[in-house]
Amino acid sequence: GAVVSQHPSRVICKSGTSVKIECRSLDFQATTMFWYRQFPKQSLMLMATSNEGSKATYEQGVEKDKFLINHASLTLSTLTVTSAHPEDSSFYICSARERLAGGLRETQYFGPGTRLLVL
Amino acid sequence: DAKTTQPTSMDCAEGRAANLPCNHSTISGNEYVYWYRQIHSQGPQYIIHGLKNNETNEMASLIITEDRKSSTLILPHATLRDTAVYYCIVRVVGYSTLTFGKGTMLLVSP
Repeated sequence: GAVVSQHPSRVICKSGTSVKIECRSLDFQATTMFWYRQFPKQSLMLMATSNEGSKATYEQGVEKDKFLINHASLTLSTLTVTSAHPEDSSFYICSARERLAGGLRETQYFGPGTRLLVL
Repeated sequence: DAKTTQPTSMDCAEGRAANLPCNHSTISGNEYVYWYRQIHSQGPQYIIHGLKNNETNEMASLIITEDRKSSTLILPHATLRDTAVYYCIVRVVGYSTLTFGKGTMLLVSP
């Protein structure tokens, strides 16, 4: 299957600072990328959907000014957690959608995740 | 997207087949069935998906009932590395995102 990478894999930061997470599709072009968040012992929750070259669409309850998403190219999306607080500590996972055969065989691939700890 | 129902947990002996069921009784005609798994502290891994025909790849087989109201993911020879949470998701291709439920925690034991 296609490969999606994330960097960094884990980050520790002080409260009030900003953290940027990169997501790359390594062997395919992704017109759509997704950002999820997962708290301990819970399932993945979609935060936002981003299409290359346009503004991201955020899920209800997710602050767009706090979680800045940039999808500047077909292989790169970034999530910046601004003014991070301890409650932002979580496992952040990106995903990229690959379309084949005219869109009928569509698969979404996930990165390995970034564990954020805000002190 | 249609909702899915999966058992909370299942056990399987190493080397045996693991059969993971999923109910999706309200599935629509244009919704695909997707299976992902998440090993602890990793991102979800795509396994397989299908519309109405049975599908097989190097990881697993997907059996969809004729009325499409349920499906079964089969891992033919489970190994300890297959211990993970398995998610069954139905969605319309091109029109919706993947929404994760609680999945089935599969524990493969020696």
